[in-house]
This record gives sequence, structure tokens and C-alpha cells, in this order.
Amino acid sequence: DTAVSQTPKYLVTQMGNDKSIKCEQNLGHDTMYWYKQDSKKFLKIMFSYNNKELIINETVPNRFSPKSPDKAHLNLHINSLELGDSAVYFCASSLNGGPRRDIQYFGAGTRLSVL
Amino acid sequence: DAKTTQPTSMDCAEGRAANLPCNHSTISGNEYVYWYRQIHSQGPQYIIHGLKNNETNEMASLIITEDRKSSTLILPHATLRDTAVYYCVAGRGKSTFGDGTTLTVKP
Repeated sequence: DTAVSQTPKYLVTQMGNDKSIKCEQNLGHDTMYWYKQDSKKFLKIMFSYNNKELIINETVPNRFSPKSPDKAHLNLHINSLELGDSAVYFCASSLNGGPRRDIQYFGAGTRLSVL
Repeated sequence: DAKTTQPTSMDCAEGRAANLPCNHSTISGNEYVYWYRQIHSQGPQYIIHGLKNNETNEMASLIITEDRKSSTLILPHATLRDTAVYYCVAGRGKSTFGDGTTLTVKP
């Protein structure tokens, strides 16, 4: 079983469209994250949720809206897609406590191409 | 989270030990040091973490200086499959992945 799974793996879309990326973890973790990795390979955190509550919201355009229906899911909705949104988006999860706290487990990534 | 500084790239001969340094001079007393690696375009993978003491697991060893301002990840017998970008992360909560070190293991 995949611990952190993202769908879709690839997403090709036109500028101006709205799209969603889904993330699910079956590790029993209570914290989930979204990262963006652009062509320069810099891995930048976008959002973090703990027990469905937003705890980190970096400087991200408000076209990006995360939603956490429960602790095991963190979805990312992007409105009015722009060329600069093309990147690989990674979902991750971790535990907030215990000896293995904050160790993040990553999904395989969603490669978004905006044309 | 503490800022980390790593060399941009390193080479290592296959079968040799790869020693990857990380500077985290602003680390707080209760902040851990975590190491991850990213092979090609896969998701980053956790390797090891530590607070004060040196740590070893099946993948690597982590040496943390006594003042905790720097650490070294050691891959004892590097293989071609260890070619990857290695990230050192210090802190908790807000996770700042720097540029990492691109390790190239050569035959």
C-alpha cells in the first residue's frame, strides 16, 4: 500500500482553467503539507494542516486553496491557472508528536503543466 | 526553523564513504536535524534524524557536532543508486528545504 498517494500524477491544462490535486495518507499522521518544486528544483512549502486546521500558509496566491476534509486527506484546488504554476507539487505527512515527530513522508508528486 | 547551508554539489567514488556536511548555526536547543534525499524527480525520502547524539540506521550515519551548529551525513559505502539531491532540514513545524547537495556517485 502506498503511504502517501497523490492523484493525478500528471496534469496538463490550459491557462485560466481550475484544477484540483488530491492527497491521501494511510499512515495515521495528523499533519499534512503541500510543497511546490519548480524547474530550479527548489522545494518550497506552501501549506500545512494539523488535525484539519491550517497552521502554515506561506506567501501563496489566493488562487491556491487547500482543503482538508479529514486528517487523512489534504486536497489542493487551483483557480485560474497561470503559466508560472507549472511545477511539481508534492504532498507530505508527519506526526506532530512522539519520537518520530516531524519526519515527513512524501508522495510521488503531481507534475502540472500549464499551456 | 533554522537556516541550513550545504555545498551545492559533491562527487564520490562508488564503494567509498560519502560525507555530506550541513551548517545549521542558528539551530535552537530543541530542534532536530533531519536528512532527506530526492532521487531524480521522485518525492523526497527520509534518511535519518538526530538531536544531539550521533545516530546510525540501515541507510546512513549522522554525526552532530557538540555545539550542534553543524552535522555530517555519512553514506558508508556509496553506490550508484545513492546519486541524488540530499537535503538537511533543521527545526520543526515550518519545514524549510534549502537547495540541498547534489551527490554524484561515480563508477
